Amino acid sequence: DTAVSQTPKYLVTQMGNDKSIKCEQNLGHDTMYWYKQDSKKFLKIMFSYNNKELIINETVPNRFSPKSPDKAHLNLHINSLELGDSAVYFCASSQESRTGAHEQYFGPGTRLTVT
Amino acid sequence: AQSVTQPDIHITVSEGASLELRCNYSYGATPYLFWYVQSPGQGLQLLLKYFSGDTLVQGIKGFEAEFKRSQSSFNLRKPSVHWSDAAEYFCAVGGGSSASKIIFGSGTRLSIRP
Repeated sequence: DTAVSQTPKYLVTQMGNDKSIKCEQNLGHDTMYWYKQDSKKFLKIMFSYNNKELIINETVPNRFSPKSPDKAHLNLHINSLELGDSAVYFCASSQESRTGAHEQYFGPGTRLTVT
Repeated sequence: AQSVTQPDIHITVSEGASLELRCNYSYGATPYLFWYVQSPGQGLQLLLKYFSGDTLVQGIKGFEAEFKRSQSSFNLRKPSVHWSDAAEYFCAVGGGSSASKIIFGSGTRLSIRP
């Protein structure tokens, strides 16, 4: 009964390749996020979708393209991978409300290693 | 701009000892405050949250945190730590609008001395 799941858990690839990471949540939330965690554990938001609409788009290279086919899924496609893209990528979800209370629930992460 | 500072990068405490992890925030309006824990190789798990009301909030695993507006702080406490509490702890701040982001602090790594 995993609430937020990501695939794959580990991804090792070479520079220049294109790869995708998938995320699914079964919490019935309407908002999903992608975060990047670097080697120093610093966690930075990349994108957020609310009801399939992009609402947060941080300063991220346009090689990164999120896609949300429905409220329960948010995928991340990365083109022309670079060494600096090596990190752990976390998906998260939350339920927005009139009060804006929005604690986020995180997936287990995808460790991407670019060689 | 909103920001979160966790001044302690790494803390080591003895098993059974009390714990306090510091968190200071900067936010222009009433903040929504969170503490998350990340065990090695795992995702982040919500420990507790503060939105309004009682400034002392209880969380899971015996943790509590106190919101002090005058000090812009939201410190995490536990009266007696267990070896399983060794992990990375993140404080985070967000706003009340649906489009607002949660900003995470840089984390505090907690080690437990047997």
